Amino acid sequence: DGGITQSPKYLFRKEGQNVTLSCEQNLNHDAMYWYRQDPGQGLRLIYYSQIVNDFQKGDIAEGYSVSREKKESFPLTVTSAQKNPTAFYLCASSGQTNYSPLHFGNGTRLTVT
Amino acid sequence: GQQVMQIPQYQHVQEGEDFTTYCNSSTTLSNIQWYKQRPGGHPVFLIQLVKSGEVKKQKRLTFQFGEAKKNSSLHITATQTTDVGTYFCAGESAGGTSYGKLTFGQGTILTVHP
Repeated sequence: DGGITQSPKYLFRKEGQNVTLSCEQNLNHDAMYWYRQDPGQGLRLIYYSQIVNDFQKGDIAEGYSVSREKKESFPLTVTSAQKNPTAFYLCASSGQTNYSPLHFGNGTRLTVT
Repeated sequence: GQQVMQIPQYQHVQEGEDFTTYCNSSTTLSNIQWYKQRPGGHPVFLIQLVKSGEVKKQKRLTFQFGEAKKNSSLHITATQTTDVGTYFCAGESAGGTSYGKLTFGQGTILTVHP
């Protein structure tokens, strides 16, 4: 069964620590995305990658980093430089065609105290 | 940068009433997509509109894309408790160089009272 797997579902960290969120897909999609969701603000794009070994900043990339070493994987690191890291993080993928819809993972809820 | 505004932010209806959410973009869109997120879940793709003035229906849901390709609406007829969730529009700017770079509206949270 094809899909996107995000792990873990809940993550707790102390302030000042970097944390990496996992995202794996077996849909054979070229493009992958990271969104952040906060109450009342919809989904905001952090980073996206259209092909392996290449990625671009989204609208709110500051304090985050990504890598795309494999087509299936697009991990997101939330660094200590991110001022408000507590949020719901969603990974998505889409096919390499115009206007392909996004397929989302179940998300990771990160709490930093 | 591109902005997508969605209203209302919240909508409470009695079961059986109709519901509409509206989406407006600051720029002309190449396409607009609609997603539904159930409470505690992740967004799920509903539909995509590409043509100016396009109207699409999915059972009780009607989606419209404006003539100028800058606005869109989702209308649900005779809501049911299963319609509960947050509805998002997401648009891609026309003439953009990065395909798939969607800008999401803030979402409309729909509550249906039985």
